[in-house]
Amino acid sequence: GESVGLHLPTLSVQEGDNSIINCAYSNSASDYFIWYKQESGKGPQFIIDIRSNMDKRQGQRVTVLLNKTVKHLSLQIAATQPGDSAVYFCAEGSLKAAGNKLTFGGGTRVLVKP
Amino acid sequence: EAQVTQNPRYLITVTGKKLTVTCSQNMNHEYMSWYRQDPGLGLRQIYYSMNVEVTDKGDVPEGYKVSRKEKRNFPLILESPSPNQTSLYFCASSRVWGEKLFFGSGTQLSVL
Repeated sequence: GESVGLHLPTLSVQEGDNSIINCAYSNSASDYFIWYKQESGKGPQFIIDIRSNMDKRQGQRVTVLLNKTVKHLSLQIAATQPGDSAVYFCAEGSLKAAGNKLTFGGGTRVLVKP
Repeated sequence: EAQVTQNPRYLITVTGKKLTVTCSQNMNHEYMSWYRQDPGLGLRQIYYSMNVEVTDKGDVPEGYKVSRKEKRNFPLILESPSPNQTSLYFCASSRVWGEKLFFGSGTQLSVL
C-alpha cells in the first residue's frame, strides 16, 4: 500500500491499555482542531474535533484535550483495540481567518500489541 | 451511502501528458478541497472551493488547476504533469468550512 510516512514517530501500546497521542500546533490564531485516523490504503477518517472555546471534548472511547497556553493538543484512546492501529494526524485551522484550510501535523503511528 | 468518490485509484503517466483526477460527493456539501500526501511532508492543501464557482489556492497550488461548475464535482487538473507531482492525492468535502471533513480513498499518481 501507499507509504504515509517512512519515519513517523511510533507509539506501541498493549491491547486494552489507554493511548495518548500528542500534537504541538504552530499557529496561535488557530481556533479549530481535529484528529484524523488513517489506515493503510485509506483516506483520513474523522475522529473528533474541538474548538478553541473548549479545553476538553469526549467521544466514544476518545477524548481530545486542548491547551492553548502551550499550543498543545492530545488524543486519548481508552482501552485500545487492534482496530486502533493506524496513523493519527492532528490538524489545525481558523474559522475566522481567510484561507479556509486545515494544516496537518506529520502524524503518529500507533501499533497495538495483542 | 454518503461518500467522496475519486477516480482513478491508481494512475501512471508520463511527463507533460495532461490528466484529470475526478472527485464527486453525494452529500450536497458546499466545501471541497484537494490535498496531496507525501512521506515526511504530511497532507498539504492544493486548492479548495467554498461553493460553486468559488475556488482558491491552498499551500501548494503550482502545477494544478481546479474547477467547480457543479456542487458535487471538483476535478483536479494537471495540465503538464512533472515527476515532482508524483504523490497520493485526496479529495475532501464538508457541509461548510469548519465542519467534519470527509475524505475520499485517494489517488496514487506516478509521473514518469
